[in-house]
Amino acid sequence: DVKVTQSSRYLVKRTGEKVFLECVQDMDHENMFWYRQDPGLGLRLIYFSYDVKMKEKGDIPEGYSVSREKKERFSLILESASTNQTSMYLCASSFPRVRAGGTTDTQYFGPGTRLTVL
Amino acid sequence: QKEVEQDPGPLSVPEGAIVSLNCTYSNSAFQYFMWYRQYSRKGPELLMYTYSSGNKEDGRFTAQVDKSSKYISLFIRDSQPSDSATYLCAMTTGGGNKLTFGTGTQLKVEL
Repeated sequence: DVKVTQSSRYLVKRTGEKVFLECVQDMDHENMFWYRQDPGLGLRLIYFSYDVKMKEKGDIPEGYSVSREKKERFSLILESASTNQTSMYLCASSFPRVRAGGTTDTQYFGPGTRLTVL
Repeated sequence: QKEVEQDPGPLSVPEGAIVSLNCTYSNSAFQYFMWYRQYSRKGPELLMYTYSSGNKEDGRFTAQVDKSSKYISLFIRDSQPSDSATYLCAMTTGGGNKLTFGTGTQLKVEL
């Protein structure tokens, strides 16, 4: 079974703190993603990575950065946490799968980290 | 206007009912369509995957895609209390890795 783990289920931080969210997958997946999930807004992509040391901005990268030093690990960094970054953060990983009409990926999600910034 | 629209619910049905969950979308380039189920305080898990138009059945679940209407559906037959969750539709143009998600529909199946 694919397993994606996240370092914390719940986290409380103060405004201005630097926050690290860690994600580890055990299936040798090339692709890894960070999303945030908010009521009424659904899942929004923050950053993703196709390979070690590679990263690409998603739809809402402002206020975040990422690090991928090893294939299995993808970190999300909040340089200076703000209250509007209070959210559920979800990590996902995927591998290319050949399907009818082309190649697409199935994403596997971790359990999420509920971050509260006070 | 959002690229993918999904009624947030909540949708409450009695046990054994047939449930219909739907999404509409605006990007005609979407080719791959997925349904994820998310239990409370858990990450989403893939339920169904469909390529292009047509139906796909897996046990009590049927996914339906109508590309001409830009409309996808998930049907759940003989619904159970364990089906109570939020259901997210997701889609992609293919050949890449980004998924576009709906906001999710919360379903509650009552005894």
